[in-house]
Order: sequence, then C-alpha cells, then structure tokens
Amino acid sequence: EAQVTQNPRYLITVTGKKLTVTCSQNMNHEYMSWYRQDPGLGLRQIYYSMNVEVTDKGDVPEGYKVSRKEKRNFPLILESPSPNQTSLYFCASSSTQGFYEQYFGPGTRLTVT
Amino acid sequence: AQKITQTQPGMFVQEKEAVTLDCTYDTSDPSYGLFWYKQPSSGEMIFLIYQGSYDQQNATEGRYSLNFQKARKSANLVISASQLGDSAMYFCAMREAQLGNQFYFGTGTSLTVIP
Repeated sequence: EAQVTQNPRYLITVTGKKLTVTCSQNMNHEYMSWYRQDPGLGLRQIYYSMNVEVTDKGDVPEGYKVSRKEKRNFPLILESPSPNQTSLYFCASSSTQGFYEQYFGPGTRLTVT
Repeated sequence: AQKITQTQPGMFVQEKEAVTLDCTYDTSDPSYGLFWYKQPSSGEMIFLIYQGSYDQQNATEGRYSLNFQKARKSANLVISASQLGDSAMYFCAMREAQLGNQFYFGTGTSLTVIP
C-alpha cells in the first residue's frame, strides 16, 4: 500500500530535550516536506526537499533541522524543543512528475512542556 | 502579504445544496498550481482537486469543481449536492513552480453540512 508513515504519532516531551520525528514514504517520491498545523494558522511549511541531499527552508524553519540522506526518509529534528513548537506536524511527499499532488502522513501531535 | 487567503472561517450548508468556499492567492510566478485539501475530524489530509495556472478549463472531480478566475487570482471550490460526510476543514494551497516549489496553505474553512 502506498503510504507516508510518521513516528511517533503522539509525543509529550520537556523543553530542551532533543527529539526526532521520522517520516518515510514507499512511493519513490522525489519531493518531501514537513508542515506544522496550528489553530487559526492553517498549515505552514517548515522544510522541503526536492531530492536526496537537497533541502530548502519553508516559511517557519527556525528551531528545526532536517536531513535527506535517503530518498524514502525525511526526519524532522528538534534540537532544543520549546513550548511554542507544540503543534500537529505533517510529513508529505509527492512526485516531481506532474503537478506535485502531495500524499500526507497521519500526523504527529507534539506537546512540549 | 498572505500568499493564500481564505476569508470564511466557518460555513454552513444544507444537505443536498451546493456551497462555494472562497480562496484568493498572491503570486508573481507565472507557473503555479492550486490545490484543495479536505481534513475531516479524524485529522488526515485528503487531496480533492488541482488547477494549473496554464489550464484553460476549470478543474472538476466528481462533486468538486474549482472556479478558477486567473485575473482576479481566485480559486474557489464548489461542492455540489452536499453530503453529511462533507463536514470538514477545507484548505486551499498553492505551489509556485518557478520560485522554488514551496507550498503555501490558507488558514482553512470549516464546513458544516446540516441535515
């Protein structure tokens, strides 16, 4: 089954404790992306990657890191999480052939206390 | 300036009626794509419909159609014959093809279908 998987689905952590949210897709997609969703703000792109070893900042990259060492994986790293990074996070992928229809993961609900 | 603007935080529609969800966009890129996604209360993001900036005709997918008015920079979603299952958040999004392939989403419209 074609899908984007994210882990963990739920995470409660404390300020300053480094964490990684994994994202993996099995569709051989070139384009991968991370978003955060906050009430009243919609989805905002954090980082995106056009292919392996190519990453670009989105609208809200501060406090986040990403890497794209393999085509299928695009982990999101919070080196020192803060309460304002409490949010719902989505990973998405798409082919660069065609119109970039994005397939979304199920989301990760992160709470930083 | 906002790249995507959705001015209707909440909308109500009677079952079986049609409803239009508004979306305006702002870009200087001549090549761009416009998307609508649905997010039910379960949280997943579901792709509904796409319109390319060079497409001459309005996109349609089943009960969904996109009213694309390029000069006005609007890309409204029309849902015909609303069903109870259409109750959800709806997001308009844009990809700028020549300016880096970044995606921009609006703040969403919450649609409630009334029986």
